[in-house]
Amino acid sequence: EVQLVESGGDLVQPGGSLRPSCVGSGFTFRIYTMSWVRQAPGKGLEWVSTISSDGSSTYYADSVKGRFTISRDNSKNTLFLQMNSLRADDTAVYYCARGERVGHVNSWSYYWGQGSLVTVSS
Amino acid sequence: EIVMTQSPATLSVSPGERVTLSCRASQSISNNLAWYQQKPGQTPRLLIYGASTRATGIPARFSGSGSGTAGTEFTLTISSLQSEDFAVYYCQQYNIWPQVFGQGTKVEVK
Repeated sequence: EVQLVESGGDLVQPGGSLRPSCVGSGFTFRIYTMSWVRQAPGKGLEWVSTISSDGSSTYYADSVKGRFTISRDNSKNTLFLQMNSLRADDTAVYYCARGERVGHVNSWSYYWGQGSLVTVSS
Repeated sequence: EIVMTQSPATLSVSPGERVTLSCRASQSISNNLAWYQQKPGQTPRLLIYGASTRATGIPARFSGSGSGTAGTEFTLTISSLQSEDFAVYYCQQYNIWPQVFGQGTKVEVK
């Protein structure tokens, strides 16, 4: 059974940092593109970042570019999102999601984690 | 950046009705469009990818289509709405970076 389990969400002050992670199991993690998608309270889905299967290519939304860094450790089946210079509008549930489109980094996602809440507040 | 516009924002319907949701892209995205369903407190559920291919386990009452060769107009149709279909529906383009989701259409009980 494919599972994506996020952790690391927390309450952090504006300007602070956080590094949520997502562990994949039940599939060959190293061959899949992975993404982070967030959802602010009561709002819609917002794509945040995507990383290729080998980690060589990364993509970011303009709203997080220069502040967030996506990475992965394929030996540990783990995806990371280093979040720096956090702002109140970064408050959201952060989902990790697996890309399904073979041969492409840009893809839809069938499998999603349960989400990890990041709250930025003083 | 491509803008994805969904309409209507809210749709009030009765069980058994046929439902049509629209998603428009500000420029051509070929058929690189997905639809998701999200219920309160749940993770998004993939319904459709490639504009018209149903995801694994999705009932046949859900169908997706794109209009002609322009690659900008897309539709999600629920042929006969069931009680479990009341939810928010999002479209997503994955043709070019950045990926963009539409703002969502809420399907609520009439």
